[in-house]
Amino acid sequence: EADIYQTPRYLVIGTGKKITLECSQTMGHDKMYWYQQDPGMELHLIHYSYGVNSTEKGDLSSESTVSRIRTEHFPLTLESARPSHTSQYLCASSEYTLYGYTFGSGTRLTVV
Amino acid sequence: AQKITQTQPGMFVQEKEAVTLDCTYDTSDQSYGLFWYKQPSSGEMIFLIYQGSYDEQNATEGRYSLNFQKARKSANLVISASQLGDSAMYFCAMREVYQTGANNLFFGTGTRLTVIP
Repeated sequence: EADIYQTPRYLVIGTGKKITLECSQTMGHDKMYWYQQDPGMELHLIHYSYGVNSTEKGDLSSESTVSRIRTEHFPLTLESARPSHTSQYLCASSEYTLYGYTFGSGTRLTVV
Repeated sequence: AQKITQTQPGMFVQEKEAVTLDCTYDTSDQSYGLFWYKQPSSGEMIFLIYQGSYDEQNATEGRYSLNFQKARKSANLVISASQLGDSAMYFCAMREVYQTGANNLFFGTGTRLTVIP
């Protein structure tokens, strides 16, 4: 039973479309993260949040934006999708402890 | 400098044999956590095992054990009795307690493990 949910699991969309990738967690974690990962490659942090109304950009520059209006919800939006945005996007959350992150199942985005 | 180094891009192991995936880390903090995640071809990240920097015993979780050598800053994952379902990417990661930013879980570049029947 997953405690962090990402939808959609797969998405194929045309260039120029606006898309929102959903991420929700039921654990009450304050910290949430978005990672971008090309197939078989390392994870790159693109956005993170300390809590409600807190968002920061990560190490990898991204044209996407995020919002954190509720603790449990951390959606990622691309205003105008491009083929270069084709990748897997992983959402995660954590507590302020030494323990690791809980990841969602990911969204595989293909922009054609 | 890289926080986490995984020097094996790919590894092969015979089914039912044991395999060790290497991981070294770099930190000046005294308090930190070390993790291994498994990522199958379906894409999700599955938490496997955790080792705290103050833990004196090596962590074990079923067929997974973490060979923690603090002085060498090494945290190798040992998988015993490999199964075909173990074929996946494996990521080593470290979390430092005193990082003030939220980006305090550092990942390595991963090792692709293939289990041969």
